[in-house]
Amino acid sequence: AAGVIQSPRHLIKEKRETATLKCYPIPRHDTVYWYQQGPGQDPQFLISFYEKMQSDKGSIPDRFSAQQFSDYHSELNMSSLELGDSALYFCASSLGRHTYEQYFGPGTRLTVT
Amino acid sequence: GNSVTQMEGPVTLSEEAFLTINCTYTATGYPSLFWYVQYPGEGLQLLLKATKADDKGSNKGFEATYRKETTSFHLEKGSVQVSDSAVYFCALSDQRKLIFGQGTTLQVKP
Repeated sequence: AAGVIQSPRHLIKEKRETATLKCYPIPRHDTVYWYQQGPGQDPQFLISFYEKMQSDKGSIPDRFSAQQFSDYHSELNMSSLELGDSALYFCASSLGRHTYEQYFGPGTRLTVT
Repeated sequence: GNSVTQMEGPVTLSEEAFLTINCTYTATGYPSLFWYVQYPGEGLQLLLKATKADDKGSNKGFEATYRKETTSFHLEKGSVQVSDSAVYFCALSDQRKLIFGQGTTLQVKP
């Protein structure tokens, strides 16, 4: 079965650079979620989209922005990167915004040097 | 706010031993509860879920029962294998997002 696809899988950036992470949800899934998992920590919710509109917002820094496109893929844009942004970024998708069962992608490991 | 607390790890067991990983939660309303597993270098995989009190989720020999009276959702398996070594996360649904516990590392030795 098709799963959530994230690209790139690994990304190395320097401080103050920008990064763009992409997420392709499971086909027919209309809701996308972004989570950040720091080293040895639990995943923290950043933001979600339903039908191309922002649905919920968590602890996402103002330096980050995201959107969902007409084909339901989503991009997380991160600017003015800081060392503390180094983490694993997960995208998850679900069918419908009231479905609590989320399917996660393999994650993008971002390293900021 | 809503939160999830898991037992600290790592949990080290011998193959075929019985596994329990404790999970308790604090929540308003009646959240759905989940266990996710993360193998080294991989993403989160949904292991099992329960959507209402007294529901039992089960998958691949793992079980957990939604206990409203004790606000718990403990994960159990009767006989662990080396391949079960991973990090296990308990999570609850908070409106339309998931709140995770801190994760428990399980190491199973042959």
